[in-house]
Amino acid sequence: AQKITQTQPGMFVQEKEAVTLDCTYDTSDPSYGLFWYKQPSSGEMIFLIYQGSYDQQNATEGRYSLNFQKARKSANLVISASQLGDSAMYFCAMASMNRDDKIIFGKGTRLHILP
Amino acid sequence: GEEVAQTPKHLVRGEGQKAKLYCAPIKGHSYVFWYQQVLKNEFKFLISFQNENVFDETGMPKERFSAKCLPNSPCSLEIQATKLEDSAVYFCASSDGGGHGGLSYNEQFFGPGTRLTVL
Repeated sequence: AQKITQTQPGMFVQEKEAVTLDCTYDTSDPSYGLFWYKQPSSGEMIFLIYQGSYDQQNATEGRYSLNFQKARKSANLVISASQLGDSAMYFCAMASMNRDDKIIFGKGTRLHILP
Repeated sequence: GEEVAQTPKHLVRGEGQKAKLYCAPIKGHSYVFWYQQVLKNEFKFLISFQNENVFDETGMPKERFSAKCLPNSPCSLEIQATKLEDSAVYFCASSDGGGHGGLSYNEQFFGPGTRLTVL
């Protein structure tokens, strides 16, 4: 069965510091995708970044990068130079590429950026 | 449209009443997914459609939940005889492909959600 584990329920980080949000996953599928979503207090789900299981390079999108370590089954999100607007809930997620692409979510990490 | 639309934004029902939620996927997207988010953290997949056909309904509590995606109509998720534990935000997402047989990913675009409160 597929599973996503986020072990940090909450984090406090000083503004402008980098932050790493942990995510480990479990799957028996050879082809899968890993994602991070941001959910601010307003509730909408904002797609941040995607990493395919066969991608050789770590994905980057602006200040977001995904530290993909396939052997360890980890897909940590790194946010560089954090901003107050980064305060939100962050969900790590996974979808198999060989099935119907339903997304399996972790339980989330609430990130608080301190001024 | 260019965004997934969900109506209503908020829905309040007494226990035992029916609730019906609507989702209009992005134009041209053939896949629709429904997710339930309880208590602001746990997401649960409910059901997915490929056009009007049910694709995966492994997450649906079938005794009270039903869903449809009919041609030229918004998709709908209906809960008969709501229970307190059905209180959640229901998200609809759409994508333009299922990603089968390849290594590509078809991003799911999420709607703003419908907050259902069962009293």
